[in-house]
Amino acid sequence: DAGVIQSPRHEVTEMGQEVTLRCKPISGHNSLFWYRQTMMRGLELLIYFNNNVPIDDSGMPEDRFSAKMPNASFSTLKIQPSEPRDSAVYFCASSLGAGTQEGPQETQYFGPGTRLLVL
Amino acid sequence: DAKTTQPPSMDCAEGRAANLPCNHSTISGNEYVYWYRQIHSQGPQYIIHGLKNNETNEMASLIITEDRKSSTLILPHATLRDTAVYYCTDTMNNFNKFYFGSGTKLNVKP
Repeated sequence: DAGVIQSPRHEVTEMGQEVTLRCKPISGHNSLFWYRQTMMRGLELLIYFNNNVPIDDSGMPEDRFSAKMPNASFSTLKIQPSEPRDSAVYFCASSLGAGTQEGPQETQYFGPGTRLLVL
Repeated sequence: DAKTTQPPSMDCAEGRAANLPCNHSTISGNEYVYWYRQIHSQGPQYIIHGLKNNETNEMASLIITEDRKSSTLILPHATLRDTAVYYCTDTMNNFNKFYFGSGTKLNVKP
């Protein structure tokens, strides 16, 4: 079975340009997560969706970042305008569903990431 | 703020057991401990999770102390392909938000 699919795998853009990252979760998974990884800050959760609805976007750095999930098989993370400090690896992950406080958290399966460089 | 603490790096000889410790002193009673690893340039990969009993799967074993304040991931026979950063995570009382911390860079040497 296909895992989480992300595109593009690499993106180089100039400061001020709009960047759109795409993610296709594993079929049947109901939760989707966007992470950002940098050397300085490690792996940070930006936002997650459950059943296509954004549940927690407290990790989104600022208004320049937005994420959507129009259907169960597609999500986008958009940066507009992009800045050099946005350079990072962006990972998308999916899980079967939301965990509950009574049981284990759902295992998250990560995509290969998008390496973004903003010049 | 970090909720889990791990040594920054460890070395292990190929074929030997690798024991990776983690302190999660603030873990609450219903939070599971999850371990992931990240091989260079790849996305994190799930390894194992547990609540309070020791767990074993085809990849590793997980030993959790009785007070649940720490755990150890055991790779019984490390190979060169196990060289990676290993993350012990908890969810900081939010059952969908894994906190990955800095992890332990495991270097498996021939």
